[in-house]
Amino acid sequence: DFVMTQYPDSLAVSLGARATINCRSSWSLLSRSNKRNYLAWFQHRPRQPPRLLISWASTRASGVPERFSGSGSGTDFTLTIANVQAEDVAVYYCQQYFGAPLTFGGGTALEI
Amino acid sequence: EVHLAESGGALVHPGESLRLSCLVSGSPFRKYWMTWFRQRPGKGLEWVANIKQDASEIKYVESVRGRFAISRDNGKSSLYLQMNNLRVDDTAVYYCAAGAGYLVEVWGQGTTVTVSS
Repeated sequence: DFVMTQYPDSLAVSLGARATINCRSSWSLLSRSNKRNYLAWFQHRPRQPPRLLISWASTRASGVPERFSGSGSGTDFTLTIANVQAEDVAVYYCQQYFGAPLTFGGGTALEI
Repeated sequence: EVHLAESGGALVHPGESLRLSCLVSGSPFRKYWMTWFRQRPGKGLEWVANIKQDASEIKYVESVRGRFAISRDNGKSSLYLQMNNLRVDDTAVYYCAAGAGYLVEVWGQGTTVTVSS
């Protein structure tokens, strides 16, 4: 199984600042056949369903603000939120979809 | 825009059964891989099971294999999760989700299952 390790567990930033969340996979998520990384980032706000932010490690989902960006390849990935806004308070999860069982990182709680 | 609505959550006793449903609207159901996730109280997100468009591929997390069964009815645009022999640690909010392959793109609002004696 792919073990996903996320850090930090929680993060407090000021409005307008930058937030950086890291995620590490126990195995490479880079496909040799299509050169894509099978890594997604989700935002989970209180009392709402999770929302896809980033797929393929760096592709923003439709409607996601440009201040959200993903980077990394292989086993190490980063979600960066530039110019943090109040509505960004949430728990952020990385998830691998390279193979079953699909697995998530433990989550990072972002506070303002 | 695709919309997912779960139903069927309830309070049950250990050992009992429950069937969750997820109705999909706004986009052709048959084009999606469908997935069930859950979130136990105070815990993170957990994948439970998924099913291919034509049900030719089905996968489960080890902890529910043999007790839970995922299925779909493309004619009714519906996804199901039959949960048997429920345990206290199955208590969670259960989400259905749709996507392309293993990549999940849209989630429902969730339905709450509580297993307690």
